[in-house]
Amino acid sequence: AQSVTQLDSHVSVSEGTPVLLRCNYSSSYSPSLFWYVQHPNKGLQLLLKYTSAATLVKGINGFEAEFKKSETSFHLTKPSAHMSDAAEYFCVVSDHGGYNKLIFGAGTRLAVHP
Amino acid sequence: DAGVTQSPTHLIKTRGQQVTLRCSPKSGHDTVSWYQQALGQGPQFIFQYYEEEERQRGNFPDRFSGHQFPNYSSELNVNALLLGDSALYLCASSLDSSNQPQHFGDGTRLSIL
Repeated sequence: AQSVTQLDSHVSVSEGTPVLLRCNYSSSYSPSLFWYVQHPNKGLQLLLKYTSAATLVKGINGFEAEFKKSETSFHLTKPSAHMSDAAEYFCVVSDHGGYNKLIFGAGTRLAVHP
Repeated sequence: DAGVTQSPTHLIKTRGQQVTLRCSPKSGHDTVSWYQQALGQGPQFIFQYYEEEERQRGNFPDRFSGHQFPNYSSELNVNALLLGDSALYLCASSLDSSNQPQHFGDGTRLSIL
């Protein structure tokens, strides 16, 4: 069965410093992995997706993630945080055996301080 | 091009009542999935509709039911509401193809008193 574990429930950074949000996955298949962002009182916006093409995936708003099969990780990074990046971030795996059902991690709340 | 739209945005009900939430998928999408997001948690899969049929269901009781219409829009119905049903209900649409990302609406915030 597929699952994801987000290793940090809260991450706090200063504006202009790098962001690292950590995610480990478990999957019986070659996984499809996603990062979604959720701003307060909003739905989920897709940041990026990995679907077995390039292992380094670039997304919107300067975010990128690297798929590392040997470490079963899919960490999200950004070189320089902006205040507008403050939000909840979800690492997600797609259940290919189940019609693309999405399985979410518990989320990481990113705080950005001036 | 409109994205996924959900209505209403907020809803307040009392225990034992019934509720219907609505979702219009993104243009060109034929598959609709529903998720429940309790406060402080990640979304949990409720069920998915394709070709007007429920084809997969998560670990939710049969008080939760749904429907998909010929225009691909969908409804989520919850009967005999419990306090624990208070949550943000998210609708996501996609094309019926593996690896296609799901696009989410802003959700319906359901509060049970």
